[in-house]
Amino acid sequence: QSVLTQPPSASGTPGQRVTISCSGSSSNIGSNTVNWYQQLPGTAPKLLIYSNVQRPSGVPDRFSGSKSGTSASLAISGLQSEDEVDYYCAAWDDSLNGSVFGTGTKVTVL
Amino acid sequence: EVQLLESGGGLVQPGGSLRLSCAASGFTFKNYAMSWVRQAPGKGLEWVSVISGNGGSTYYADSVQGRFTISRDNSKDTLYLQMNSLRAEDTALFYCAKLMGPLVFTASDYWGQGTLVTVSS
Repeated sequence: QSVLTQPPSASGTPGQRVTISCSGSSSNIGSNTVNWYQQLPGTAPKLLIYSNVQRPSGVPDRFSGSKSGTSASLAISGLQSEDEVDYYCAAWDDSLNGSVFGTGTKVTVL
Repeated sequence: EVQLLESGGGLVQPGGSLRLSCAASGFTFKNYAMSWVRQAPGKGLEWVSVISGNGGSTYYADSVQGRFTISRDNSKDTLYLQMNSLRAEDTALFYCAKLMGPLVFTASDYWGQGTLVTVSS
């Protein structure tokens, strides 16, 4: 059972901006950095954002991350059809002494 | 080029054991923490375990604590997951992932393609 809560779905039209939330607690997001992963169907997850706001090399700047208190967000601007996949947040949890993933959000491009 | 190749998955009866392996290449293995993450069919990602670069620190999800053991052989650039007392709910695709540094709480920047574990009688 995940301790990071995400909306099951999010949607937008091409070119729009979509935001995905990730809600946690003081033991995870509140005290550690948040990472975001993108997962295409049938493939391994790909790191999208690390340390709350950093983009690995090769990730378009359309993707951005933010964190405030015990919540974090992933924003996708200029939504494209290939963005229609699943997204997961993750963070270390000091109480569980382990990493936790969010429940996952499927983005739909209308 | 970083490559992670998992192996060892398969069909096992409840109560049985399996050992997964992850052969790493393209980076200095001993300098990076490594983890296992699983995904049950049609479900989300679940973190399983992590081990520090020198193998001195290991952590487990509550769901596998006491049944699974993570280890690594830095001389062979290989990560392992020994899984005992397997249950039906352990059925999943198991991914090996490289973390961004030697410590266990950093992000995973490279992932293998996964090895499927099916627990069924």
